[in-house]
Amino acid sequence: AQSVTQLDSHVSVSEGTPVLLRCNYSSSYSPSLFWYVQHPNKGLQLLLKYTSAATLVKGINGFEAEFKKSETSFHLTKPSAHMSDAAEYFCVVSDRPGGYQKVTFGTGTKLQVIP
Amino acid sequence: ETGVTQSPTHLIKTRGQQVTLRCSSQSGHNTVSWYQQALGQGPQFIFQYYREEENGRGNFPPRFSGLQFPNYSSELNVNALELDDSALYLCASSLEGLAQREQYFGPGTRLTVT
Repeated sequence: AQSVTQLDSHVSVSEGTPVLLRCNYSSSYSPSLFWYVQHPNKGLQLLLKYTSAATLVKGINGFEAEFKKSETSFHLTKPSAHMSDAAEYFCVVSDRPGGYQKVTFGTGTKLQVIP
Repeated sequence: ETGVTQSPTHLIKTRGQQVTLRCSSQSGHNTVSWYQQALGQGPQFIFQYYREEENGRGNFPPRFSGLQFPNYSSELNVNALELDDSALYLCASSLEGLAQREQYFGPGTRLTVT
């Protein structure tokens, strides 16, 4: 079975403080994991991906995520939030059960950055 | 390199009507997936097309159907529209439909059913 749980629907941080968006996943296979960002009225943009190489993955705009198999987690972090980071973030699990790429999105975490 | 494009941007239909949404995949990509994103929710997988054949489907009824053409562009058709079909419909393209391949998303088509 494949599932994704984003533990917080809303996260609010002050500009310049660290960001932590939490994600837990479940997969019967060796999954790939992604974080996407969606700004208002804009399409989904890939932030970073994990595909069984290094467990600490660096992405765009200073974001990174660590794959922890024992905890089935893939939390997204950033050392210092910027106003432009305010958006909705989706954690995504991808595997390939019956010959096609099965993708499940989490319900999303809305990040608010307070000046 | 041309990104994923979708048309139309917005659409208003009446309950019971039929609608066709279109998607052009990113250059070189042979796999297209369609998603439905209701307001305030994450995208839900509808189906995937690989080399003109449907090779995966989510929990959507048969009135949601699709096509992929030889140039890998795609259509999503929805028959007998219901109010709950109002959503943002996203198209994503990727290469070979491999699990480790990221998907590139279009801007979406906003469908409103009245």
